Amino acid sequence: GAGVSQTPSNKVTEKGKYVELRCDPISGHTALYWYRQSLGQGPEFLIYFQGTGAADDSGLPNDRFFAVRPEGSVSTLKIQRTERGDSAVYLCASSLRAGGPNEQYFGPGTRLTVT
Amino acid sequence: GNSVTQMEGPVTLSEEAFLTINCTYTATGYPSLFWYVQYPGEGLQLLLKATKADDKGSNKGFEATYRKETTSFHLEKGSVQVSDSAVYFCAPPRTSPGRRALTFGSGTRLQVQP
Repeated sequence: GAGVSQTPSNKVTEKGKYVELRCDPISGHTALYWYRQSLGQGPEFLIYFQGTGAADDSGLPNDRFFAVRPEGSVSTLKIQRTERGDSAVYLCASSLRAGGPNEQYFGPGTRLTVT
Repeated sequence: GNSVTQMEGPVTLSEEAFLTINCTYTATGYPSLFWYVQYPGEGLQLLLKATKADDKGSNKGFEATYRKETTSFHLEKGSVQVSDSAVYFCAPPRTSPGRRALTFGSGTRLQVQP
């Protein structure tokens, strides 16, 4: 079946602009996670959803970052007033349910470059 | 914060050599543990998992045993192949404040030479 998909695959934007990154999880997966990965580093947790609600947003670096999942499926990560330090690969993952033995399946990522 | 300590790379081995990548973690209770792999130009893939203490996860010739006494989950393979060249991530759950998401080390890059 279809895996996790993310769009766009690449996004180049100017400093100060607003961007939206989209994630389409595996059908039937109730938990959805956002991570970001800087070059040479492991993924860093940002936020996760159980259904429509953000169950844990403690990884968001500041209030320029926001994410929604209004219908419990597709999620959008929104970044306002982008900064060069936001440049990274943004990864989305989904799992059947949150936590425990439920493995997370990752999408291919969106490479964000802020110039 | 980060609750995983993983062996730094790169690790360079010849084909058919034995591989060990060390991983230790801090955790509350006995969570499920995971190893993920990132092949060149590809996304993160689950390699194996263990869901309880003393459990052994295995896949594609790789194994890792959940050692609660030493809070370790070392990755091993008896005979590596060139196609195993990738970055490997040990991923226990976060320790705080929530424990549903995963925490990743910086990864261990493995290079296997023919």
